[in-house]
Amino acid sequence: NAGVTQTPKFRILKIGQSMTLQCTQDMNHNYMYWYRQDPGMGLKLIYYSVGAGITDKGEVPNGYNVSRSTTEDFPLRLELAAPSQTSVYFCASSRDRAVGNEQFFGPGTRLTVL
Amino acid sequence: SQELEQSPQSLIVQEGKNLTINCTSSKTLYGLYWYKQKYGEGLIFLMMLQKGGEEKSHEKITAKLDEKKQQSSLHITASQPSHAGIYLCGAIPSSNTGKLIFGQGTTLQVKP
Repeated sequence: NAGVTQTPKFRILKIGQSMTLQCTQDMNHNYMYWYRQDPGMGLKLIYYSVGAGITDKGEVPNGYNVSRSTTEDFPLRLELAAPSQTSVYFCASSRDRAVGNEQFFGPGTRLTVL
Repeated sequence: SQELEQSPQSLIVQEGKNLTINCTSSKTLYGLYWYKQKYGEGLIFLMMLQKGGEEKSHEKITAKLDEKKQQSSLHITASQPSHAGIYLCGAIPSSNTGKLIFGQGTTLQVKP
């Protein structure tokens, strides 16, 4: 099992550009999550999904969009990149929402918007 | 909304020393996760606590959840350079949607 994989690992964008961060898991997990991590701020939830075709907003959804067409994939879309979106982005997955279920994290995508 | 506060924010210890990191919640915890992160890498699951008074250990790391379920501590015995990294606590809030909220992290350096 590869677990949770993310691409790319690093990216530099210009203000106003768009990009998609890819996330794939091979554990057949229903729940998937996108977090962003800013220095000294812990992780903040952007969007999450409880299954294919179902997504919902987290704490900081503005400026992002997601889709979940398959169980395995959960891409995160930035439409008009802004410097405030400079961050490290982590994708995670879990089997379900029950307490005790571990969330598995990908290695992260480090994004810089200039 | 529920918040998690970690203390200290950063810690530098000499190799071989013991240390404790605390995670305090503004509301009752329904599950408390500890993760470790090395720079440039993802989060590695350490352990999860659910019941008040519960204590778990993995190698030289012990985590406890207090009886009132609003605070957890992570204790490292005889620290080693391999313990260096960022330690994050994550909690399942009362709404239990599966979403985790996280503390701001504690950066640990271990001097050889």
